Amino acid sequence: AQSVAQPEDQVNVAEGNPLTVKCTYSVSGNPYLFWYVQYPNRGLQFLLKYITGDNLVKGSYGFEAEFNKSQTSFHLKKPSALVSDSALYFCAVRGVGPSWGKLQFGAGTQVVVTP
Amino acid sequence: DADVTQTPRNRITKTGKRIMLECSQTKGHDRMYWYRQDPGLGLRLIYYSFDVKDINKGEISDGYSVSRQAQAKFSLSLESAIPNQTALYFCATSGQGGSEAFFGQGTRLTVV
Repeated sequence: AQSVAQPEDQVNVAEGNPLTVKCTYSVSGNPYLFWYVQYPNRGLQFLLKYITGDNLVKGSYGFEAEFNKSQTSFHLKKPSALVSDSALYFCAVRGVGPSWGKLQFGAGTQVVVTP
Repeated sequence: DADVTQTPRNRITKTGKRIMLECSQTKGHDRMYWYRQDPGLGLRLIYYSFDVKDINKGEISDGYSVSRQAQAKFSLSLESAIPNQTALYFCATSGQGGSEAFFGQGTRLTVV
């Protein structure tokens, strides 16, 4: 069975500092990996995805993520956080094989960026 | 107009009542999903459908049913609502392979 873990319920960072949100996954075969962001009272917005190829993926709003197959991780990063980055972030995986097509989410990490 | 539209946006219902949440999409996608969001639990998959004739249970399908009326429409029903079904419900669509999912704005359901 596939699964996604976001080990941190909340990440606190000062504005201008680097931001990292962690994600690890378990899936059969090669995964498709995604990051989404949710602002208060809004739906989920797509940030970036890893399908194949370059392990460093760049996405919206200056975010990037690094796929590490040996560590089964897909951590989200931003070099310099903004107060407006404060939101709830979700990692998701879609696997192949028995779980083909099913999109599964982690529990989410609340990011708080302080001025 | 939004790519994925959910109705209603908010609903309060009584225990034991049947309620239907509706979702329609204009993306032309074959895949549609229903999730519920609870604080600290993230999004949990209720049901998903890869085409009109394909319906699959997710992690937490007990107490729910779905209907895929057309490629663009996927509705979620609570046959007899109970208070622990109070949550934020999201519909999503995606294309095949590595396509990202597109989400509706959510339906906030309260069962009293």
